[in-house]
Amino acid sequence: DTGVSQDPRHKITKRGQNVTFRCDPISEHNRLYWYRQTLGQGPEFLTYFQNEAQLEKSRLLSDRFSAERPKGSFSTLEIQRTEQGDSAMYLCASSRIGEGAFFGQGTRLTVV
Amino acid sequence: QQQVKQSPQSLIVQKGGISIINCAYENTAFDYFPWYQQFPGKGPALLIAIRPDVSEKKEGRFTISFNKSAKQFSLHIMDSQPGDSATYFCAAIVGGAQKLVFGQGTRLTINP
Repeated sequence: DTGVSQDPRHKITKRGQNVTFRCDPISEHNRLYWYRQTLGQGPEFLTYFQNEAQLEKSRLLSDRFSAERPKGSFSTLEIQRTEQGDSAMYLCASSRIGEGAFFGQGTRLTVV
Repeated sequence: QQQVKQSPQSLIVQKGGISIINCAYENTAFDYFPWYQQFPGKGPALLIAIRPDVSEKKEGRFTISFNKSAKQFSLHIMDSQPGDSATYFCAAIVGGAQKLVFGQGTRLTINP
């Protein structure tokens, strides 16, 4: 499978717990993005990497959110001390520079 | 500045008809305009994309029309089928730079 892979597909967690999501991009893509999408809305940008460097972070990305992309390959997105407002679909995408991004199937987070 | 406005919010078309979704942008630095199709519970899928040096691009039943002077572009779905029922997002990106900026989405329903 040469597409973007995300794990897990679904995550239910209790408020206050930490969660970590993983994204494996398309191998030849040097850009990797994280987006968040709530029901009925378009994807909202969170952050993106070019290779291992995190080049931009949205104001949506509070201090409780952290993303890494060690060695410019897979990426992780961690949410600490989850809140009910964090419930959303977290989407990862990858691309070549200047081209449209290919999205994974997303991780559906539910905070109870 | 980095804004893409999409209309309509929802659209109902009869099977076999033409579906038309419109987008307008403000940032003249945008130089790549993809369209995404999203089914419930899935990540957005790249459908078709255009650069501003061409006025039209066609792939199968899907056509993008681009009007650079008006800063508008649109997606036309010919011979619309019930399987086309999904949410469609237009997007834009500044080549070599930052993130995809998404429109608000159009929920398309094709009645059989």
